[in-house]
Amino acid sequence: GAVVSQHPSRVICKSGTSVKIECRSLDFQATTMFWYRQFPKKSLMLMATSNEGSKATYEQGVEKDKFLINHASLTLSTLTVTSAHPEDSSFYICSARDETGGRTEAFFGQGTRLTVV
Amino acid sequence: GESVGLHLPTLSVQEGDNSIINCAYSNSASDYFIWYKQESGKGPQFIIDIRSNMDKRQGQRVTVLLNKTVKHLSLQIAATQPGDSAVYFCAESGGSYIPTFGRGTSLIVHP
Repeated sequence: GAVVSQHPSRVICKSGTSVKIECRSLDFQATTMFWYRQFPKKSLMLMATSNEGSKATYEQGVEKDKFLINHASLTLSTLTVTSAHPEDSSFYICSARDETGGRTEAFFGQGTRLTVV
Repeated sequence: GESVGLHLPTLSVQEGDNSIINCAYSNSASDYFIWYKQESGKGPQFIIDIRSNMDKRQGQRVTVLLNKTVKHLSLQIAATQPGDSAVYFCAESGGSYIPTFGRGTSLIVHP
């Protein structure tokens, strides 16, 4: 299957600082990428849909000013957690959809464990 | 509201047995279903998918069954191996093809 790379895999930051997480599709172009958040022993919750060249679409209850999403190219989307606080600590996972030849499969990155201290 | 859920949070099996993981969905508009495997500390890994115009699809050691009448989805794993131990999620999507995840079932395979 297609490869989606997420970086960093782990990050620890101080409260009040900002953290950027990158999501790259390595062997395909993705006009659409997705960002999920996962709490321990819980399911993945969709935060936002990242659209190349346009604004992201955020799910209800997700603060767009806190979770900044940029999708500047067909292979890269970034999620910036601004002014992070301990409650933002979580596992963040990106996904990209390979639409080559009409396919609809979504492939996931390896996730980023964010710890805010 | 509409949701996708799982019947059993934990399933323990012996190595070599067949495993069946179940999922109920309530959104009758869903027409695409996916099973993912998630190992600890990693992102979900695609296993198999099925569209609503099918009721069965087979892959390598895995079979997905879809019963639209009762809105039920299952994943069958043949000859379960210790490497199959993980959390399994079913996900559904409609025309947007954005996976919406269910609760997850933890599969534990005992050697």
